[in-house]
Amino acid sequence: SQQGEEDPQALSIQEGENATMNCSYKTSINNLQWYRQNSGRGLVHLILIRSNEREKHSGRLRVTLDTSKKSSSLLITASRAADTASYFCATDRTRHAGGTSYGKLTFGQGTILTVHP
Amino acid sequence: KAGVTQTPRYLIKTRGQQVTLSCSPISGHRSVSWYQQTPGQGLQFLFEYFSETQRNKGNFPGRFSGRQFSNSRSEMNVSTLELGDSALYLCASTRQTSSNEQFFGPGTRLTVL
Repeated sequence: SQQGEEDPQALSIQEGENATMNCSYKTSINNLQWYRQNSGRGLVHLILIRSNEREKHSGRLRVTLDTSKKSSSLLITASRAADTASYFCATDRTRHAGGTSYGKLTFGQGTILTVHP
Repeated sequence: KAGVTQTPRYLIKTRGQQVTLSCSPISGHRSVSWYQQTPGQGLQFLFEYFSETQRNKGNFPGRFSGRQFSNSRSEMNVSTLELGDSALYLCASTRQTSSNEQFFGPGTRLTVL
């Protein structure tokens, strides 16, 4: 079963606009990662934010994490047609004894982003 | 550095057959995870291997199995294929730091007829 929910399920914007996607999750985590997927291909790792971080930037990407609300957001600024893809958040959940859940990321259902030229 | 590679990229099988998929991780990465992606269930974790040992397993029937070799390459096998096994199968490798940051291959698209 999916750990989290992402909203919106689909987002359609014009080139140059900003795109914001949200992700919620249910359990305590070590970190949260965002991935992009183009047309059913492999996932491309975008950014990782640790549970003790609140905000992280990478190029046009800005990720925030609120562990008290169990939520994260991904902002893509000045979007381009090439940003058209599905975006997934994935959580690395803590195990009962602490530490990572060996190789298992739990994914949200994804947001389909369409950027019109 | 070469990325994660998966072979074959596309596969068509019939019900009842079995299939083996292969994954070569990024050089130096010792952990390999497998995921199944379908439109209905999304991305679901199958299992993870590290140093030839399965350390974690998702909620899939015993028809799904895997193994890892001493060079960290991994294979997954699905026996007695069912129509519902049609999916994109993704493998991911990680250097096994504390972050569990995973890097994915292009996937194998399996179609069961």
